[in-house]
Amino acid sequence: DAGVIQSPRHEVTEMGQEVTLRCKPISGHDYLFWYRQTMMRGLELLIYFNNNVPIDDSGMPEDRFSAKMPNASFSTLKIQPSEPRDSAVYFCASSLQAGIILGQPQHFGDGTRLSIL
Amino acid sequence: AQSVAQPEDQVNVAEGNPLTVKCTYSVSGNPYLFWYVQYPNRGLQFLLKYITGDNLVKGSYGFEAEFNKSQTSFHLKKPSALVSDSALYFCAVRDITSGTYKYIFGTGTRLKVLA
Repeated sequence: DAGVIQSPRHEVTEMGQEVTLRCKPISGHDYLFWYRQTMMRGLELLIYFNNNVPIDDSGMPEDRFSAKMPNASFSTLKIQPSEPRDSAVYFCASSLQAGIILGQPQHFGDGTRLSIL
Repeated sequence: AQSVAQPEDQVNVAEGNPLTVKCTYSVSGNPYLFWYVQYPNRGLQFLLKYITGDNLVKGSYGFEAEFNKSQTSFHLKKPSALVSDSALYFCAVRDITSGTYKYIFGTGTRLKVLA
């Protein structure tokens, strides 16, 4: 049973470049979450989707960040232009709607480690 | 506002000894409580949850957690620690009565089990 798949696992790029992170949720899950993890700030929720629709993007730090979910099996998080302070590990997680009401957990991918030079 | 606190940045325990990782929460309404574990270079993995029912819940890898409503706590426990339990542990809460589907995660507690 495939879990949440994120790509790339590592990304190193220079500041000012566009960065696109990708996520494939678990099939059948209809909630998708993007998180950022840093030593200083811990785990932060950036945005989440329900049935491909963004529900809460209050955690997105700036307009440089954008996220899309064009279909149930794919989501992207884009940073344009990137800055060194965006360096972090970015996680995608998915969950079932019915499961959320009953308290089913989120399932996390293994993250993308992003380094902006 | 909903919140969860993990008061210890790090917990050290000798292998074979019991371990406790502490978590307290603050929500309006009934809490859904979770524990996750994170190993190096991996995503968070679900360990166990409390929704309703018995205050003692059992989860993966021999872990259990005790829900205490009066103390608003949900401490993670294991009777006998293994070196392989060394990892970062996160407590999380969601208050479904607020209509949000957000998880609120704690800051994490690093567990180090010494051989």
